[in-house]
Amino acid sequence: DTEVTQTPKHLVMGMTNKKSLKCEQHMGHRAMYWYKQKAKKPPELMFVYSYEKLSINESVPSRFSPECPNSSLLNLHLHALQPEDSALYLCASSPMSGGSYYGYTFGSGTRLTVV
Amino acid sequence: GQQLNQSPQSMFIQEGEDVSMNCTSSSIFNTWLWYKQEPGEGPVLLIALYKAGELTSNGRLTAQFGITRKDSFLNISASIPSDVGIYFCAGRLNRDDKIIFGKGTRLHILP
Repeated sequence: DTEVTQTPKHLVMGMTNKKSLKCEQHMGHRAMYWYKQKAKKPPELMFVYSYEKLSINESVPSRFSPECPNSSLLNLHLHALQPEDSALYLCASSPMSGGSYYGYTFGSGTRLTVV
Repeated sequence: GQQLNQSPQSMFIQEGEDVSMNCTSSSIFNTWLWYKQEPGEGPVLLIALYKAGELTSNGRLTAQFGITRKDSFLNISASIPSDVGIYFCAGRLNRDDKIIFGKGTRLHILP
């Protein structure tokens, strides 16, 4: 298995809703990442987990809450989002926290729309 | 913070033409990566470079890690319609877990 699987593919949520994005990989990668990508922009790093511990938080608002239950799973819990949070949310993984010999493997993303 | 300057921002070319794009930085990187992203998908790794001067090919794609470690280029030979997409360079600074992305080159192929 050489994939990063993200669910759901699309999500529409209201500003008072609570939802979660899920990411799964079975490549044995010990670093996992959340990125946010707005239209026509490059991905922006949000969080990095190394060996299931949060190692980088790029000053992300607390309405985004990451969780890494085990080495294969990464969640992003969403609460009280704003319309400007609408974006493509990408999960990625790499073999080690140093960025990996092979670069990051990205999932296909969750297209989030906040209404 | 560190920045990658990727150019050109967009390209309109005829099918069959060769393509060249590059990334430069004022910082020294120890890894250069080239990704392609198609609409509705995540970026897909095309080529990874780890040594200054390294030249690596992947089919019709060729990328090089600049000698100064501050730049990289990607060439695509004999472009075909499925080459359409956004190409991102990305670099990793030494002793840093983060990958920094360039702003992307949007490739359009004219029929």
